[in-house]
Amino acid sequence: NAGVTQTPKFQVLKTGQSMTLQCAQDMNHEYMSWYRQDPGMGLRLIHYSVGAGITDQGEVPNGYNVSRSTTEDFPLRLLSAAPSQTSVYFCASGQGRNNSPLHFGNGTRLTVT
Amino acid sequence: QQPVQSPQAVILREGEDAVINCSSSKALYSVHWYRQKHGEAPIFLMILLKGGEQKGHDKISASFNEKKQQSSLYLTASQLSYSGTYFCGTDQSSSNTGKLIFGQGTTLQVKP
Repeated sequence: NAGVTQTPKFQVLKTGQSMTLQCAQDMNHEYMSWYRQDPGMGLRLIHYSVGAGITDQGEVPNGYNVSRSTTEDFPLRLLSAAPSQTSVYFCASGQGRNNSPLHFGNGTRLTVT
Repeated sequence: QQPVQSPQAVILREGEDAVINCSSSKALYSVHWYRQKHGEAPIFLMILLKGGEQKGHDKISASFNEKKQQSSLYLTASQLSYSGTYFCGTDQSSSNTGKLIFGQGTTLQVKP
């Protein structure tokens, strides 16, 4: 049982490049989400999904796209990377109720130069 | 809307107590607490639901006052292992999706 798996662990991009951060969970969770973590800002919600085919915006969605074609996978796409997107990105999944905890992946550290 | 945590940072000696507060300007349906060690993923501590409940886990407990839209995390007789950053995650929607909005975090350092 791997839980929530994020790849890659580290990534360096040049401004303007695109990339996809991968997230997969094997707990059959309906709810999945992406957060970015910056010093002093806590965890800020980028996008989330309550099930396959359903996605919605969080607090800071600009510059990011998501899709949810399967229950297991929830990739995050950066369309044209900017230095402001330098951050640590966490994927989290849960059963989709307010009484169930979120399970976090180990994070992806992204640097945009 | 992001809840506000206070204090931003606290330094303790082993055995001392600490309280971390989480306050929201929006109605809350549940409050989650997580701890994150440096370079690691956040780890779940506990959930509090509407009803003003208190929960405990070893020497860590929490309360939730839904009328005041506040939650507090109590760390009693702190241990070195309690060091880390604590986040409250708030459910601000009645739709019960599991979506959480987190505070900015409180860094706790416990010294010998």
